Amino acid sequence: AQSVSQHNHHVILSEAASLELGCNYSYGGTVNLFWYVQYPGQHLQLLLKYFSGDPLVKGIKGFEAEFIKSKFSFNLRKPSVQWSDTAEYFCAVNAGHNAGKSTFGDGTTLTVKP
Amino acid sequence: KAGVTQTPRYLIKTRGQQVTLSCSPISGHRSVSWYQQTPGQGLQFLFEYFSETQRNKGNFPGRFSGRQFSNSRSEMNVSTLELGDSALYLCASSQGETQYFGPGTRLLVL
Repeated sequence: AQSVSQHNHHVILSEAASLELGCNYSYGGTVNLFWYVQYPGQHLQLLLKYFSGDPLVKGIKGFEAEFIKSKFSFNLRKPSVQWSDTAEYFCAVNAGHNAGKSTFGDGTTLTVKP
Repeated sequence: KAGVTQTPRYLIKTRGQQVTLSCSPISGHRSVSWYQQTPGQGLQFLFEYFSETQRNKGNFPGRFSGRQFSNSRSEMNVSTLELGDSALYLCASSQGETQYFGPGTRLLVL
């Protein structure tokens, strides 16, 4: 069975600080990896995804993530956060052959102080 | 393309009642998945439908059921509602590896 672990439940940063949110997954086969964001009052939106190829993937709004296969990790980064990045962030994984069933981490709430 | 739409957006029911939620996927997407989101349990997979057939099922009791129509629209039904069924129910459609989520239906069971 797949599982996803997000290291931090709540992160508080000041504007312009750098962000790194940890995500580790457990699955022995080929996986697709995702980061989703849920802004207050809005629905889940896809930030970025990794299927194969270059392990460093870039997403929307300046976010990027690095897939490290040996560590089963897919950490999310942003060099300089803005107040508007305040949201909940979810890491998710699905099996390469079973994309309709995703396993999500518990989420990390990011609060950016102006 | 229009995104995933879900109706209704909000529902209030009482224990013992049943409820039906609807989801219209992105045009051309044949896979529709349902998730339950609660503060305590996070996002949990309910089931997935593809071409009118249930392809995957999560660990939820039989009170939770779903179906998919020939136009890929999907419904999920919860019978004999319990207080613990209060949650945000999310629908996602996909064509390929990426799921796109709708705004959800917020269900409150009193």
